[in-house]
Order: sequence, then structure tokens, then C-alpha cells
Amino acid sequence: AQKITQTQPGMFVQEKEAVTLDCTYDTSDPSYGLFWYKQPSSGEMIFLIYQGSYDQQNATEGRYSLNFQKARKSANLVISASQLGDSAMYFCAMRERNTDKLIFGTGTRLQVFP
Amino acid sequence: EAGVAQSPRYKIIEKRQSVAFWCNPISGHATLYWYQQILGQGPKLLIQFQNNGVVDDSQLPKDRFSAERLKGVDSTLKIQPAKLEDSAVYLCASSDSEKETQYFGPGTRLLVL
Repeated sequence: AQKITQTQPGMFVQEKEAVTLDCTYDTSDPSYGLFWYKQPSSGEMIFLIYQGSYDQQNATEGRYSLNFQKARKSANLVISASQLGDSAMYFCAMRERNTDKLIFGTGTRLQVFP
Repeated sequence: EAGVAQSPRYKIIEKRQSVAFWCNPISGHATLYWYQQILGQGPKLLIQFQNNGVVDDSQLPKDRFSAERLKGVDSTLKIQPAKLEDSAVYLCASSDSEKETQYFGPGTRLLVL
């Protein structure tokens, strides 16, 4: 069964520093997609970045990059130059080829301090 | 482009009462999802619509939850009767069937007393 594991319940980072949020996944499907979402205290889920299982290069979107290591089944999110507004919950999610359903991890709460 | 709209944003009810949530997806998005997010957990899919047909409702507690998407646009999710364990954030999302990404609305926070 597919599963997403986020082992860091909380992370702290100083403003302007980089931070890595861990995500490992389990699936038997060779074709899948991996997503990261940000959820501020206001509640909405904001899409950050996507990585397809067959993508040759790691995905990047502005200050966000995804460190995709397929053999290790990990898809860590790297946020560069952290900002105070990055403080939020971050969720990793996976979707297998034949479904649209997203399976989410339990999230990591990131706090950025001055 | 307007995002996914949801209402109400907050709702407090007593157990055994009924409640309904409304969602308006991004214009042109054929696929609509309802997720339940219990405090401290990631969202869990309740039901998925493709246009006005149900694709997946395997995790919907059908004895008390119902959902519809008439005309393939707006959707409503209803709980009748509510239980204490239904306290959660209910998130609606939509996606263009040709793309990968689901876009979420602001959610409805439900508290059942």
C-alpha cells in the first residue's frame, strides 16, 4: 500500500538560511507523482512543487527545490533563503498513475525565526 | 484566475445536528475532491467527482455523509447526523483533468460539540 512518511514533526530555521524537510514514500507503482503543499495557519493548502517519477531532473520553483532520490524513495523539500512568511505546516503527498487520489504525510511544522 | 471557493469558513454545531458545506471549483476544472483533515493529520480523501459523476467514494462514511455535484460545477458535502469525531477541516480541491496538480480552497473548519 502506498504510504508517505514525514519524520520531522517540527523544524526551526533562522531567516535567510536554507532548510530541508524530509519525505519518504512507499509504492509498488513505477509511475507516480510527488507533491509538496504549504498550509499556513489560515488553513488553505498551497501547492509548491511537483516531481514526476520519470523526471530526469530535480524540480525547482523559485526558492523551492525537490531533492528526489528514487532509489532511496525520498523526496525532500529544500527551501533556500528562508523568510518569516515560510512559517507553516508542510505536507508531502503522492499520487499513483491510475488514480487522482493524493496520499498525504502527517506534515512538518516549520518555524522561521529572525 | 479565481481560486477554489468554499463556504462557510467556520461552523459550530451540536452532535446529531446536520451541516452542509459548499464548494465552487476553479472555472473549467472537471475534477473535484473533498478531503477531511483531522487535527494533527494530513488530509484524507472523502470523495472525488469527475464532472458530475463519482469516481471514488470508498472512504466516505455513507451512513452519515453525502455529496453531490449537480451540473458538474459546484458541489455540496453534507453530514447528517454529525458526531464529535467529525470535527475537522473540510477541504475542497479541483484539478484540470489534463494536468497533475490539485488546487485547494481555504477549507471549512467544523467543530461538533
